[in-house]
Amino acid sequence: AQKVTQAQTEISVVEKEDVTLDCVYETRDTTYYLFWYKQPPSGELVFLIRRNSFDEQNEISGRYSWNFQKSTSSFNFTITASQVVDSAVYFCALRGQGAQKLVFGQGTRLTINP
Amino acid sequence: GAGVSQSPSNKVTEKGKDVELRCDPISGHTALYWYRQSLGQGLEFLIYFQGNSAPDKSGLPSDRFSAERTGGSVSTLTIQRTQQEDSAVYLCASSLGGQGRYGYTFGSGTRLTVV
Repeated sequence: AQKVTQAQTEISVVEKEDVTLDCVYETRDTTYYLFWYKQPPSGELVFLIRRNSFDEQNEISGRYSWNFQKSTSSFNFTITASQVVDSAVYFCALRGQGAQKLVFGQGTRLTINP
Repeated sequence: GAGVSQSPSNKVTEKGKDVELRCDPISGHTALYWYRQSLGQGLEFLIYFQGNSAPDKSGLPSDRFSAERTGGSVSTLTIQRTQQEDSAVYLCASSLGGQGRYGYTFGSGTRLTVV
């Protein structure tokens, strides 16, 4: 069975602070894919990143960075110098190589206060 | 189309009525998925289509829920005899294929309210 756990239900920080969203996953697949999605108040899910299980390099995209660690089955997401527009619900998701569906975590509601 | 289109965006219906929700995926995307998101909750998988067939219907919560896809394109999710617990946002997503390496593109969802 595949499972994604986002232990942080809600996070609230002041603008310009750095914030890390945790994601821990479980899978028996040797090949799998991890994703992060953002769901702003408008409701549409926006794709942020995909990482395959063979690529453990960290990735940085502007103020966003992702830390993938197979040893701890974690795929954490950090926002540097947060902005009010970053306020949203963020979902981590997992898909096995042979699996048709994405399995989502419960999401972390991030609020950035001015 | 350029994105995944869902209609209607909002639907209010009386308990016991039937509703149909429509999803128009990205052209060329063979895989289509329906998810449900209840208020403040995560995403609950409902059904997966590959072409016109549905190899995985395991997430449909009851026999009041059904879905079809025609022409490998548009999909309709039907809920019969709606109940208040059916109130949720119904999200459709499409993908180039059913393999793991493909991510999803989501539509904006249909917010269903059963009164």
